[in-house]
Amino acid sequence: QKEVEQNSGPLSVPEGAIASLNCTYSDRGSQSFFWYRQYSGKSPELIMSIYSNGDKEDGRFTAQLNKASQYVSLLIRDSQPSDSATYLCAVTGRGSTLGRLYFGRGTQLTVWP
Amino acid sequence: KAGVTQTPRYLIKTRGQQVTLSCSPISGHRSVSWYQQTPGQGLQFLFEYFSETQRNKGNFPGRFSGRQFSNSRSEMNVSTLELGDSALYLCASSLARGGARGSENIQYFGAGTRLSVL
Repeated sequence: QKEVEQNSGPLSVPEGAIASLNCTYSDRGSQSFFWYRQYSGKSPELIMSIYSNGDKEDGRFTAQLNKASQYVSLLIRDSQPSDSATYLCAVTGRGSTLGRLYFGRGTQLTVWP
Repeated sequence: KAGVTQTPRYLIKTRGQQVTLSCSPISGHRSVSWYQQTPGQGLQFLFEYFSETQRNKGNFPGRFSGRQFSNSRSEMNVSTLELGDSALYLCASSLARGGARGSENIQYFGAGTRLSVL
C-alpha cells in the first residue's frame, strides 16, 4: 500500500511570512508529484507539479523534490490571507496502479493579517 | 476550453436508494478518475477509467461501480445507499495515464457532487 504523509498541521503563519508544507511518500519509484490547493467547500486545484530532483518555482510558490529522501515540499513566499486553504500532496502510482493518484490527508494553512 | 463538468452538483437521497453521478472530462482527455472525500477519511480513490476500461479500483464495496463511454464521459453508480456514503464525490480527468512525464498526466478536478444520504 503506497502511502503519502503530510505534516498534519494546522499551520498558521502571519501575512508576508513563508509557509512551509512537507510531504513524504513510501514508493521510491514514484515519478510525478503534485501539490493541490483546496478551499473549504471547493474541489482541489493544481498549483504545482514536479518531476525531477531540485526546485521548481512559479511565482510565490516553490516546490522541492528529493527522491533519495522520498520527500517533496511546497514553500509559499509572502503568504497572503487568500492562501488560507488545505494543501494536498499527491503522488502518481506506477505499474498496476498507473493512472492513480495517492493523496496525503492535507495540511490546513491559515494566513492571518 | 471547458473544464471537468460534474452533474448534479447536489443530491439528497435516502438509505437504500441508488444514485448515478455523471462526469464530462476536459475535451481530449481520455482518463477519468473518481474520488470520494469525507472529513474523516480525506480523498479516497474509487476507480480510474481509460479507453472505456476500468484500469484501477480502490478499496470500496461492489455497491460502487462505474463506466466510461466512447466519448470519455463517465458515470459512477452507488446502489443501496448507506448513511456513510454521504460525501463529496470528485471526478478528475487527464490527457494520459500516470507515468508520462509532463502535463499529460496531470489530473484536473471537477467541482464535485455533494451527496447527502438521509
